[in-house]
Amino acid sequence: DTEVTQTPKHLVMGMTNKKSLKCEQHMGHRAMYWYKQKAKKPPELMFVYSYEKLSINESVPSRFSPECPNSSLLNLHLHALQPEDSALYLCASSQEGQGTSYEQYFGPGTRLTVT
Amino acid sequence: ELKVEQNPLFLSMQEEKNYTIYCNYSTTSDRLYWYRQDPGKSLESLFVLLSNGAVKQEGRLMASLDTKARLSTLHITAAVHDLSATYFCAVDRPGGTSYGKLTFGQGTILTVHP
Repeated sequence: DTEVTQTPKHLVMGMTNKKSLKCEQHMGHRAMYWYKQKAKKPPELMFVYSYEKLSINESVPSRFSPECPNSSLLNLHLHALQPEDSALYLCASSQEGQGTSYEQYFGPGTRLTVT
Repeated sequence: ELKVEQNPLFLSMQEEKNYTIYCNYSTTSDRLYWYRQDPGKSLESLFVLLSNGAVKQEGRLMASLDTKARLSTLHITAAVHDLSATYFCAVDRPGGTSYGKLTFGQGTILTVHP
């Protein structure tokens, strides 16, 4: 199974709402990632989790709060977002450790619209 | 700061023609990945290049890596319409003690015409 799943596929939220994006993989990968992709732009790394610990935060605003409850799950909690946060949010996972390729497998993404 | 530059950004090709997409990057790295993205879809991994001189081929696509020149190429042979997509290269820079911190190029939008 080389699949990364994400829910929901689409999300529309107001600026005062709180919502969460979910990501799941069953490939035994120990690294998981969140990316943000605006239209016609490349993905931009937001967070990296390694063995369920946050290892990289690319200076992401605190209105985005990641969580890794276990090695298969990754959440992104959203609160008080701005319209400019509307984008495709991609989750990815990879093997982790010496000798691995770190090839990242991407989920289908959640298309977020902030109104 | 790592910069990754692809060219061309737009590529309009005729079927059966050959062409090359270039990916240049600014700092030392020996790990580079190529991805494909169809409109409205996620990213599909095409190639993983992990050392200088690495060459990988899959169907009509061939990728190579020259770490000394900080250059990777994606060569398309005898293009077909199904190859129309956006192609990204991504360079891996160690973050802390680990890899996996990808910086993507701008993407090359490839359109193949009959």
